Amino acid sequence: QQPVQSPQAVILREGEDAVINCSSSKALYSVHWYRQKHGEAPVFLMILLKGGEQKGHEKISASFNEKKQQSSLYLTASQLSYSGTYFCGTEIDLDNFNKFYFGSGTKLNVKP
Amino acid sequence: NAGVMQNPRHLVRRRGQEARLRCSPMKGHSHVYWYRQLPEEGLKFMVYLQKENIIDESGMPKERFSAEFPKEGPSILRIQQVVRGDSAAYFCASSGRNEQFFGPGTRLTVL
Repeated sequence: QQPVQSPQAVILREGEDAVINCSSSKALYSVHWYRQKHGEAPVFLMILLKGGEQKGHEKISASFNEKKQQSSLYLTASQLSYSGTYFCGTEIDLDNFNKFYFGSGTKLNVKP
Repeated sequence: NAGVMQNPRHLVRRRGQEARLRCSPMKGHSHVYWYRQLPEEGLKFMVYLQKENIIDESGMPKERFSAEFPKEGPSILRIQQVVRGDSAAYFCASSGRNEQFFGPGTRLTVL
């Protein structure tokens, strides 16, 4: 039930774009995206609640395809500060509560 | 506007001792999640609590580990008789409605 993230790692030059994918085998209530830098806590980027929803945060945006149970994170014109590990978190609606799973992460390395 | 607080930030224990990790959620948040992270790995869910209730402890080992979130005070993750394999970063996150905000983590080292 853990979401699958791809790719596992990406190396970019500054200014290049990247897409990180997250897919689930279960119907999703929501998808969350986080970035974690080495030795630090994960930082919340955005949450997508509705199917087909898209959100943006500076040059980082995401989409959520409820039917396909997938979400993608788009990083455009990447900056050095974007380096880190990106995790998607998927929320599944169970009977009594919502259960949360994290993907295994995508390591992004932006080089000058 | 304090964020999620965890203490201690670093904890060293010898095998067989007890470790107590504390988490104070953001103001107004009543949901707390605990996660464990090994170096270069993802976040592994351990337990989800609301005030005075354990909602989901499916990720918590059956022995030696316990968690609570009392009516007053921080949430506590307790590890009894620690072993070397317990060495990891332990993060708590709090949430009000949907988003989870993480604390800085407690890095546990078992000698």
